[in-house]
Amino acid sequence: QKEVEQDPGPLSVPEGAIVSLNCTYSNSAFQYFMWYRQYSRKGPELLMYTYSSGNKEDGRFTAQVDKSSKYISLFIRDSQPSDSATYLCASYSGSARQLTFGSGTQLTVLP
Amino acid sequence: NAGVTQTPKFQVLKTGQSMTLQCAQDMNHNSMYWYRQDPGMGLRLIYYSASEGTTDKGEVPNGYNVSRLNKREFSLRLESAAPSQTSVYFCASRGAANANEQFFGPGTRLTVL
Repeated sequence: QKEVEQDPGPLSVPEGAIVSLNCTYSNSAFQYFMWYRQYSRKGPELLMYTYSSGNKEDGRFTAQVDKSSKYISLFIRDSQPSDSATYLCASYSGSARQLTFGSGTQLTVLP
Repeated sequence: NAGVTQTPKFQVLKTGQSMTLQCAQDMNHNSMYWYRQDPGMGLRLIYYSASEGTTDKGEVPNGYNVSRLNKREFSLRLESAAPSQTSVYFCASRGAANANEQFFGPGTRLTVL
């Protein structure tokens, strides 16, 4: 079993929809949770990160972590065609030197 | 500021051939990483270097070697390429200021026939 599991999709939504992307993790030591966005044929780039449980908002994006259920979510409000990309969740513990990535969810926002 | 650069962008090899993938960063980062990305598998860590002069194995190191040439450069070598090494390879670096953020290069698409 992978330490970070992610629904691979693909997910297709109309412009303006609310998108929910989800991951689960199994390592209780994970404290830092990140979402990376990867456009086609490009390297991933950091979108948001959170520490421990709770919510973090940045514009149309909200990252949510529930450590009790080991659940990581990314919500995108008012989705735009420019949001079309693969979204990767990632986690690590404070003592680890490496990130553990989910397999990625491919999102398409249709105009 | 170029960030993380990788060469080559594309490569086709025959089984048994060797090659080195080059990576360089100009952000004065201590840590550098090599990942491979395969459909449905996400990013898997091959090797990493926490600082100049040190390297450590990641999740999938077999068939690869690395060299941290200096603080800027981290190369990945395939000694005897196999079709199972067909993948997209990404190099990344991370600084101390924000330990959560890795900066990725544009990737190298490798096909082994």
